[in-house]
Amino acid sequence: KQEVTQIPAALSVPEGENLVLNCSFTDSAIYNLQWFRQDPGKGLTSLLLIQSSQREQTSGRLNASLDKSSGRSTLYIAASQPGDSATYLCAVRPGSSNTGKLIFGQGTTLQVKP
Amino acid sequence: DARVTQTPRHKVTEMGQEVTMRCQPILGHNTVFWYRQTMMQGLELLAYFRNRAPLDDSGMPKDRFSAEMPDATLATLKIQPSEPRDSAVYFCASGWAGSGSSYEQYFGPGTRLTVT
Repeated sequence: KQEVTQIPAALSVPEGENLVLNCSFTDSAIYNLQWFRQDPGKGLTSLLLIQSSQREQTSGRLNASLDKSSGRSTLYIAASQPGDSATYLCAVRPGSSNTGKLIFGQGTTLQVKP
Repeated sequence: DARVTQTPRHKVTEMGQEVTMRCQPILGHNTVFWYRQTMMQGLELLAYFRNRAPLDDSGMPKDRFSAEMPDATLATLKIQPSEPRDSAVYFCASGWAGSGSSYEQYFGPGTRLTVT
């Protein structure tokens, strides 16, 4: 059974710092992996999607990497800003899925202090 | 600007009452997912549909929960009777599943349910 773990559960950094959020999964047979952002009381916003054949994806100050064989993904945020404060969720699509079913980690809550 | 809509956004009800949550997926999407989010369990998949057919509802308590898609523009999640432990945020998501698809999902804003 696929399980997704995110460490740390919470992180507080000063503005301007570069930071890394970690995601690990137990079954390397994934179709792809998706990183989401969730603001308090809001829905999920997709940040980056990495196909199983890719090693990384970049969008602005965000860079997500994928090491399928070791069951790990990282989300790198450069030059963090207070507006980056949110919960970041990692989710994997099992390789056998033909509908896009997602399995989520518990999330990392990030606070960026001015 | 296509987006998933959910109604109601907030619902407070008493134990034993029926609750119906609605979702309008993005036009053209052929998969719909229902998730529940709690502090303790995080995000859990309850059920999902492809081309309006239920593919998996193993995440739902069958005795009280039911999910349907009366048509391509509406998905419903019902709880009858509701219990305090059902208090959570319920999210609907939609996406396109097909050959070459990335299966990316787009989430609605959620329905915050409180059962007293």
